[in-house]
Amino acid sequence: KAGVTQTPRYLIKTRGQQVTLSCSPISGHRSVSWYQQTPGQGLQFLFEYFSETQRNKGNFPGRFSGRQFSNSRSEMNVSTLELGDSALYLCASSPPSTGLGYTFGSGTRLTVV
Amino acid sequence: AQRVTQPEKLLSVFKGAPVELKCNYSYSGSPELFWYVQYSRQRLQLLLRHISRESIKGFTADLNKGETSFHLKKPFAQEEDSAMYYCALSYSGANNLFFGTGTRLTVIP
Repeated sequence: KAGVTQTPRYLIKTRGQQVTLSCSPISGHRSVSWYQQTPGQGLQFLFEYFSETQRNKGNFPGRFSGRQFSNSRSEMNVSTLELGDSALYLCASSPPSTGLGYTFGSGTRLTVV
Repeated sequence: AQRVTQPEKLLSVFKGAPVELKCNYSYSGSPELFWYVQYSRQRLQLLLRHISRESIKGFTADLNKGETSFHLKKPFAQEEDSAMYYCALSYSGANNLFFGTGTRLTVIP
């Protein structure tokens, strides 16, 4: 069974640009959540989608947005990139019962220069 | 508000020695607790979840609601256990994980 797939693996962008990251969850998982991982802040929750609806959102500025498609694939977008947005962005998918845990993708390493 | 605390950023033990990675949480309801591990250059992966009371790779963790702790233990550390370990909390209706800051475990040969 395929795992969580994130594309691209690496990105280099310039300040002020925007970027779109993609995540394909495990087949049958309808919940997709996004996390930002940095050395200084650790793992921070961005947002979570279920059946194309955002159910939960972390404490990030409005430049960070996301969406989910009918096939459960999700994208996150960051507009007007700042140097501080450089991070590993992780996507996780979950079955309906969150007690079973979340499965993470390998992440997209975003570098803003 | 919910919070997960891992008091040790770094932990070094000798191979064959017992290891305990501490995790304390604050949440007034019924939490769901997890341990995730991230080996070098690998993805974050689920190690243990409290609801299943399982032992994975020799690791165990018991949820102690009185002490609000979910410490990860292994009686005999192996070199391949060297990794970053994250304790995480969720709860019914949260739809996301709250992570601790992580503990980097190094097992010395």
